[in-house]
Amino acid sequence: GNSVTQMEGPVTLSEEAFLTINCTYTATGYPSLFWYVQYPGEGLQLLLKATKADDKGSNKGFEATYRKETTSFHLEKGSVQVSDSAVYFCALSSPTQGGSEKLVFGKGTKLTVNP
Amino acid sequence: GAVVSQHPSRVICKSGTSVKIECRSLDFQATTMFWYRQFPKQSLMLMATSNEGSKATYEQGVEKDKFLINHASLTLSTLTVTSAHPEDSSFYICSARDRVKGRNQPQHFGDGTRLSIL
Repeated sequence: GNSVTQMEGPVTLSEEAFLTINCTYTATGYPSLFWYVQYPGEGLQLLLKATKADDKGSNKGFEATYRKETTSFHLEKGSVQVSDSAVYFCALSSPTQGGSEKLVFGKGTKLTVNP
Repeated sequence: GAVVSQHPSRVICKSGTSVKIECRSLDFQATTMFWYRQFPKQSLMLMATSNEGSKATYEQGVEKDKFLINHASLTLSTLTVTSAHPEDSSFYICSARDRVKGRNQPQHFGDGTRLSIL
């Protein structure tokens, strides 16, 4: 079935460091790909998305490019801030039996940014 | 836009109690809502897909009689944990997709409910 493999954390960086969180996927067809962020004690917020190959999603300085040839959707940010400390989830959309789509999540990567 | 409200945010109750969690889409209509469960330091596990006006579709291994889902309107879905026990303690999160915008649109998540059964 469809699955997402995400870089295991935790990841600890200093402020202004470069961030990469790797994400690869296995899927049939052409899924949409997402990065979600979860701050402590809260639900998930959509960070960015890409719906087809070579699309680049971007938001708040974060970027990820849908690479079909390597089945990857790595998250990057050039200069992280303390406020970026959170858990990041890579996800893909997967069709369900009922015709709608469900999200398949990676295990999450906890990022801590120190001042 | 695309706000999902989940209530309550935290529940502490005794074993054997039934607990209802509400999920509302505040500024859009959601034909489909999703219920997830998240264990500490783990990813989200989809429990069921809730479709307005029809029965929910449960994932394998999720007890239908234990986790009752009702999706009575395009803006409200409820999850009832019946006769809750300590092993049901978890973080429950709902999400919804805007029906107007169709497929390949992101799910919008509530802030979750922390359920603690004593």
